[in-house]
Amino acid sequence: GQQVMQIPQYQHVQEGEDFTTYCNSSTTLSNIQWYKQRPGGHPVFLIQLVKSGEVKKQKRLTFQFGEAKKNSSLHITATQTTDVGTYFCAGGNTGGFKTIFGAGTRLFVKA
Amino acid sequence: GAVVSQHPSWVICKSGTSVKIECRSLDFQATTMFWYRQFPKQSLMLMATSNEGSKATYEQGVEKDKFLINHASLTLSTLTVTSAHPEDSSFYICSASRTGTGTFGSGTRLTVV
Repeated sequence: GQQVMQIPQYQHVQEGEDFTTYCNSSTTLSNIQWYKQRPGGHPVFLIQLVKSGEVKKQKRLTFQFGEAKKNSSLHITATQTTDVGTYFCAGGNTGGFKTIFGAGTRLFVKA
Repeated sequence: GAVVSQHPSWVICKSGTSVKIECRSLDFQATTMFWYRQFPKQSLMLMATSNEGSKATYEQGVEKDKFLINHASLTLSTLTVTSAHPEDSSFYICSASRTGTGTFGSGTRLTVV
């Protein structure tokens, strides 16, 4: 079945450093979504990418969708302590709304 | 924006009892609702997909007789954990979708003692 792999599992950074998490799907995706989950909270939708090669920015966050629509990345520039949490990618398959989540990358930011 | 309400936010129940969790889309009609389970420090695992008025589609390994899903209207879906056991203790979360991008509820933390 469809699998979505996400790396790294966790990352510790010093405040001000950059951070990137990568997502790879075993199949071509119709879209990819990114979520942030704070400890004890629920996933909060960040963005959805649909087009091949698409790049979107939200302030310090840059999201990319690969040309083959099988991989994606989230890059945070100059991390802040408020960026702490787990970032999940979620791949949507073609022909339906089924969404499979990656394992998540837990970001720790040291002030 | 789209708002999804999930109730209760937490519940403690005795082993062998059943627990019902509600998921409501407050300001939109959700044609599809998803139910996920999340164990501590793990990802969200899709349990089932339900479309209003039809039977839910369960993921492999999810017991449909144990996790009863009802999607009777475009704004309400329920998940009932029947004969709950301690291993069912988890964080259950719904996602309601109208056009493909779902909005998550706030989740329900179930503890079975």
